Amino acid sequence: DAGVIQSPRHEVTEMGQEVTLRCKPISGHDYLFWYRQTMMRGLELLIYFNNNVPIDDSGMPEDRFSAKMPNASFSTLKIQPSEPRDSAVYFCATGGGINEQFFGPGTRLTVL
Amino acid sequence: DAKTTQPPSMDCAEGRAANLPCNHSTISGNEYVYWYRQIHSQGPQYIIHGLKNNETNEMASLIITEDRKSSTLILPHATLRDTAVYYCIVRDMFSGGYNKLIFGAGTRLAVHP
Repeated sequence: DAGVIQSPRHEVTEMGQEVTLRCKPISGHDYLFWYRQTMMRGLELLIYFNNNVPIDDSGMPEDRFSAKMPNASFSTLKIQPSEPRDSAVYFCATGGGINEQFFGPGTRLTVL
Repeated sequence: DAKTTQPPSMDCAEGRAANLPCNHSTISGNEYVYWYRQIHSQGPQYIIHGLKNNETNEMASLIITEDRKSSTLILPHATLRDTAVYYCIVRDMFSGGYNKLIFGAGTRLAVHP
């Protein structure tokens, strides 16, 4: 298994632009999580899905952020419009049971 | 979820055991202790978890005190590749949203030659 796949690995954009981050979960995993990591705030859970349904989005910072999971093989995190304070590493993680979550390599986002 | 307290940083000599402590004095009966680590520029990696018994796997051992208010992660023979931030997390496995992990600041372990 290739593990959790995230794309792009690096994204540099200008303030105001739309940014879309993508995640392909491990096949068979029912849960999908989006995290954000910054030096100031550490690793934060933004939203998670169970069987493609959003369960808890209380960590989504504001309406500029949205996440979708149209099917079991794909999820997106969209920021529109992006701001410099959104610069961070965004991780996608998936889990198939109660024991562990598998994290992807992350997308490093820089908003100028 | 209960909060955990970890030292911000620790050092360990290569080949020696690394013992990483975690305090979780308010842990409840349904909460498990999980350990993850994050090597620089990578996503966090699961290490081990336990409820009240000591656990061991190919990566580490987890020792939980009898009152469950603290635990220790043991890397028996640390290598340079074990240099990472180690996160201790307590998680209620039986409440709604049971798969949520709440990461704290962790312990930055530096393994030196």
